[in-house]
Amino acid sequence: DAKTTQPPSMDCAEGRAANLPCNHSTISGNEYVYWYRQIHSQGPQYIIHGLKNNETNEMASLIITEDRKSSTLILPHATLRDTAVYYCIATIMEYGNKLVFGAGTILRVKS
Amino acid sequence: DAMVIQNPRYQVTQFGKPVTLSCSQTLNHNVMYWYQQKSSQAPKLLFHYYDKDFNNEADTPDNFQSRRPNTSFCFLDIRSPGLGDAAMYLCATSRDRGMGETQYFGPGTRLLVL
Repeated sequence: DAKTTQPPSMDCAEGRAANLPCNHSTISGNEYVYWYRQIHSQGPQYIIHGLKNNETNEMASLIITEDRKSSTLILPHATLRDTAVYYCIATIMEYGNKLVFGAGTILRVKS
Repeated sequence: DAMVIQNPRYQVTQFGKPVTLSCSQTLNHNVMYWYQQKSSQAPKLLFHYYDKDFNNEADTPDNFQSRRPNTSFCFLDIRSPGLGDAAMYLCATSRDRGMGETQYFGPGTRLLVL
């Protein structure tokens, strides 16, 4: 699995877009980029994943650069309930099927 | 709603006393996983079941075992808990093991060892 690098923490004003960056410069062609978040004392929650194309669902958008070396998770209108640790994971999810979590980014949404 | 259920949410056990944590799922997924998350650390995979096929991670201590009696249920057994085994234990499921599959997590069981 490719190593990912995320900023340790970010702040965002409530109602504004939260843009969380992730660097995965060693990603291979068949590795997907997954985003999970973990609100304090809860299990990780799946947000979104993608391979090459940008993806959007009801929770967020995922923008992957053309060279696939970095990506950005966008929460369009952050609320206080979006305060959590956000994990970016690059993985094949095939053989070992292991999600290797890094340190993640602590996102604090402030009113 | 289809979901991953873990009971209890909090479990207290004594040093050296065997303990079992349970996980059930209504998603009818083929794969079930157990992760360990110690305080202020990221989750770490212990093992997973692909249907009835058990797959252990190389660095998972022998003290940790698992059972999957049917598709819906999976158990984590800690034979002789030590103080270092105090952690949140997370169960997850995925439909299959193919590329692009997604894992869905339960709420976790927080284990306290006295």
